[in-house]
Amino acid sequence: EAGVVQSPRYKIIEKKQPVAFWCNPISGHNTLYWYRQNLGQGPELLIRYENEEAVDDSQLPKDRFSAERLKGVDSTLKIQPAELGDSAVYLCASSLFGAGRAEKLFFGSGTQLSVL
Amino acid sequence: SQQGEEDPQALSIQEGENATMNCSYKTSINNLQWYRQNSGRGLVHLILIRSNEREKHSGRLRVTLDTSKKSSSLLITASRAADTASYFCATVLQGAQKLVFGQGTRLTINP
Repeated sequence: EAGVVQSPRYKIIEKKQPVAFWCNPISGHNTLYWYRQNLGQGPELLIRYENEEAVDDSQLPKDRFSAERLKGVDSTLKIQPAELGDSAVYLCASSLFGAGRAEKLFFGSGTQLSVL
Repeated sequence: SQQGEEDPQALSIQEGENATMNCSYKTSINNLQWYRQNSGRGLVHLILIRSNEREKHSGRLRVTLDTSKKSSSLLITASRAADTASYFCATVLQGAQKLVFGQGTRLTINP
């Protein structure tokens, strides 16, 4: 079984530039999460999808961040424009159902973003 | 915001010794999970313990949960160099669908 696939693995951009991250979850997983992990910290949830619906985006900085999950499968997270403080690892995870049903999450390897 | 706090933040032991990491949380939970993260990689699920359970085992891992103290511990027995990683506890709050992570414990196993 293929795991959660993320691309790119690394991204270096200058501030004010746009950037996009892509995630392909495990086949059949209805729930998809985007987390941001700062250096030395635990992941923090940005947005959670149930199929194609964003059911929790309370922590997503909506002035510059956007996300979509077309057809309830792949997802894209975008930042426009990027700021220096956006440098972090962006992790995608998926699960069959929501975490409230005692489901474990499967994580991708993440995209390490450096904003210069 | 982060719900869980791991203790210690960093732990260095000799191969073969046991490693114990603790996690404290603030509000009532549905379940608590432990994850491992190797450097530069994503997180890997280790074990899940429900709020009505007190102890679970998986191979060399033992997890305890004390809901009265709002705390959990992860014990890794007979540690190996490959156990070197960061370990995170994550909680699912009652009535929520969100998994909230702590700041992690960085474990180093010295050969």
